[in-house]
Amino acid sequence: AQTVTQSQPEMSVQEAETVTLSCTYDTSESDYYLFWYKQPPSRQMILVIRQEAYKQQNATENRFSVNFQKAAKSFSLKISDSQLGDAAMYFCAYRSATYNTDKLIFGTGTRLQVFP
Amino acid sequence: EPEVTQTPSHQVTQMGQEVILRCVPISNHLYFYWYRQILGQKVEFLVSFYNNEISEKSEIFDDQFSVERPDGSNFTLKIRSTKLEDSAMYFCASRDPRGVRYGYTFGSGTRLTVV
Repeated sequence: AQTVTQSQPEMSVQEAETVTLSCTYDTSESDYYLFWYKQPPSRQMILVIRQEAYKQQNATENRFSVNFQKAAKSFSLKISDSQLGDAAMYFCAYRSATYNTDKLIFGTGTRLQVFP
Repeated sequence: EPEVTQTPSHQVTQMGQEVILRCVPISNHLYFYWYRQILGQKVEFLVSFYNNEISEKSEIFDDQFSVERPDGSNFTLKIRSTKLEDSAMYFCASRDPRGVRYGYTFGSGTRLTVV
């Protein structure tokens, strides 16, 4: 069974600085999807960025980028120019690319604090 | 931007009572899901629903849970006889029919408190 591990329960960053949140996963599959979701105090789950395992190029969405290391099974999220609004819980999630499952498997989350 | 809407935002119920959590997925989405998050813990998959039937369910989704899409727009989760341990945040999600790469959209959640 696949597992997702986020080893940093909490992280903090100064406004305008850069922070990297780590995520590792365990799978025997070669094709899958990886996601980062943000959960602010409002509790809504907001998609931040996605990566398809067959793509070697790292995904980027404005200030958010990932470092996808397939061999190491690592999928870290880098937030550049951090803003106060980035403060939230961040969840890494895995989704198999096989057709017999459609569920997201989440890590335990990393709480990010942003200081002015 | 299209949203997944969940109601109510917070529900308090007595142990043993039935509750129905409601969701309106994005209108052109075809795949629907329920997840739950016990306070301070990770988000867990409950069930997926496609073409008016359950396509996948987790071990958590036992006989006390059921889902249905009664009218083509609402997607509901029913808990027949609530237990204290059912207290959690319940998230509805739907998926873009174009494919997984377009992502899953989650609602804002319903906080269920069983007393």
